[in-house]
Order: sequence, then structure tokens, then C-alpha cells
Amino acid sequence: GESVGLHLPTLSVQEGDNSIINCAYSNSASDYFIWYKQESGKGPQFIIDIRSNMDKRQGQRVTVLLNKTVKHLSLQIAATQPGDSAVYFCAENRGTYKYIFGTGTRLKVLA
Amino acid sequence: EAGVAQSPRYKIIEKRQSVAFWCNPISGHATLYWYQQILGQGPKLLIQFQNNGVVDDSQLPKDRFSAERLKGVDSTLKIQPAKLEDSAVYLCASSWERDSYEQYFGPGTRLTVT
Repeated sequence: GESVGLHLPTLSVQEGDNSIINCAYSNSASDYFIWYKQESGKGPQFIIDIRSNMDKRQGQRVTVLLNKTVKHLSLQIAATQPGDSAVYFCAENRGTYKYIFGTGTRLKVLA
Repeated sequence: EAGVAQSPRYKIIEKRQSVAFWCNPISGHATLYWYQQILGQGPKLLIQFQNNGVVDDSQLPKDRFSAERLKGVDSTLKIQPAKLEDSAVYLCASSWERDSYEQYFGPGTRLTVT
């Protein structure tokens, strides 16, 4: 079936280190991907997006990498801070404005 | 700019009872989404509105779930009768237009069915 999934359900990193959260998708027709951050008791918040004609996009402290060959997406967070602790979801879109979300990875930042 | 508003924030009901959730999207947003998020999972789209018309309700369990968006602004999602497996967070999101990729989510309503 078509799905978006994550390799690691929980990731613990030391404050100040870089974090890498991974995501695998199964549909090669997907043309747009979004990373969301969800803090406890809140709705998902847009972090960064990338279109399928790109392989890298950078934001403030975040970078998304897209490898279409192996259908893999990653979110890199530089100098991870306590405020980055949350659950991170990748979501894919296949041009229908209908998003399919992965299961999520919980990021824990250790002081 | 005010965000997406949802109420109530929490609701506990017994199975076979009915419940309704309310969403007020960001002013001017034409597209509104309802998602179901079961604990430990990502959000799953239930229904998508463009103004007051339904764009996609393919994953809405229509035997018990219903939704409406009268006048193309506020929306309500209803469950009748509720089942134990309906326990989840119900998220509302909105975007400017159907072809706008960025969705803005509300805080959600946590439903517990006992």
C-alpha cells in the first residue's frame, strides 16, 4: 500500500548537537513533502517543505534532504535546543492537496 | 493573525453517545480540513471542504461521522453513535485555497470514548 513511514520512533540528542530525523515514502509519484513539528497539546506546525524537483532545502537551523532514488526524506536540525523537543512528522502530497502523514518521531533533547 | 480555533478542547463520552466538534478557520481561508489523530500515529484526513463544498470525504466513516461547513466559514464534525475506537484527537486545519500547500492547524479536540 501507499504509506509514509519513519525509521525511528524516538530520538534522544544532547543539547547543542545536530539531530537527523528520517522518513521513508513509498509512492514515487509524490511531488511535495512537508515536515511538521507537533508539541504536546498542540496541532502540527509547518517547519519546512520541499518539492520533488529539489534534493535539498535549507531554513533557519533546519535542512530537508530528499533522495528520490531510494524514496527517503530527512530533516536535519542544527544545534538542537530544548524547544525542539516534540514529535516530528513528514507528510507527502501527490498533487491532490491531500496529505498522507507518517507515524512520527519523538525528539527528546537532553540537557 | 488569529489561528484556527477549536472547541471543546477535551470531551469524554460513553460509547453509543453522540458528540460534536466545532472549528473556526483563519479568516479568509477557503479550504478547511478535519483530521483524526489516534495516539502514536500521524493525522489522517477525514474530510476536506473548499468553501462550503466537500472536496474529499473518502476516508470519512459516513455511517457514523458527518461534517458540514455552512456559509463556507465555521465547520462542525459530528459522531453518532461513538465507538471506543473513535478515541483520538480531532484536528481542524485551514489553508488559503485548495492549491495552497501550507495548512494551519488548530490545537485539536481530544475525545475519549469509554
